[in-house]
Amino acid sequence: DGGITQSPKYLFRKEGQNVTLSCEQNLNHDAMYWYRQDPGQGLRLIYYSQIVNDFQKGDIAEGYSVSREKKESFPLTVTSAQKNPTAFYLCASRELAGPYGYTFGSGTRLTVV
Amino acid sequence: ELKVEQNPLFLSMQEGKNYTIYCNYSTTSDRLYWYRQDPGKSLESLFVLLSNGAVKQEGRLMASLDTKARLSTLHITAAVHDLSATYFCAVVGTGTASKLTFGTGTRLQVTL
Repeated sequence: DGGITQSPKYLFRKEGQNVTLSCEQNLNHDAMYWYRQDPGQGLRLIYYSQIVNDFQKGDIAEGYSVSREKKESFPLTVTSAQKNPTAFYLCASRELAGPYGYTFGSGTRLTVV
Repeated sequence: ELKVEQNPLFLSMQEGKNYTIYCNYSTTSDRLYWYRQDPGKSLESLFVLLSNGAVKQEGRLMASLDTKARLSTLHITAAVHDLSATYFCAVVGTGTASKLTFGTGTRLQVTL
């Protein structure tokens, strides 16, 4: 079945450590997005990519980095510069030229220990 | 900058009652989405609204869009406990490269 796979489901980060969240899709979608959700709040856009080897900052990109070396993969690295990384991270994708629906992954819950 | 506001933020209602969630946005929009989220889970797509006057219905939920007022509503008819969840509206602003901007969500609690 086609979809988006995020891993791991839970991730614990020590202070000063970089961690990478995986997002893989087999939908052949052009665009991919990373969102952060804090408790009781809506989702905020971190980074997005519309084409391989190109990506743009969203509203809260500081302390995060991404790459888009393959169409199906859009990993997010949470760097030590992100001072408050504890949150729920959701990856999404959509086909730019086709239907309007966004497909969301199941999310990664990141906690600083 | 596109801003999306939802109200109420929290809604407690009895089974069998009707209610409406409101979603206002600040700039022109290409399309508007409604999502449902259960605790600790991802987002479930409910509706996408593309044009002024669009109305979509699925079961006890009906969504509408007024682009002139920059307002969308999600109407709940005869609520049941299974509808308890958080509901988000999200807007793609015109010329924003398909970026979704989310409202803060409405947490709906349907009591028996």
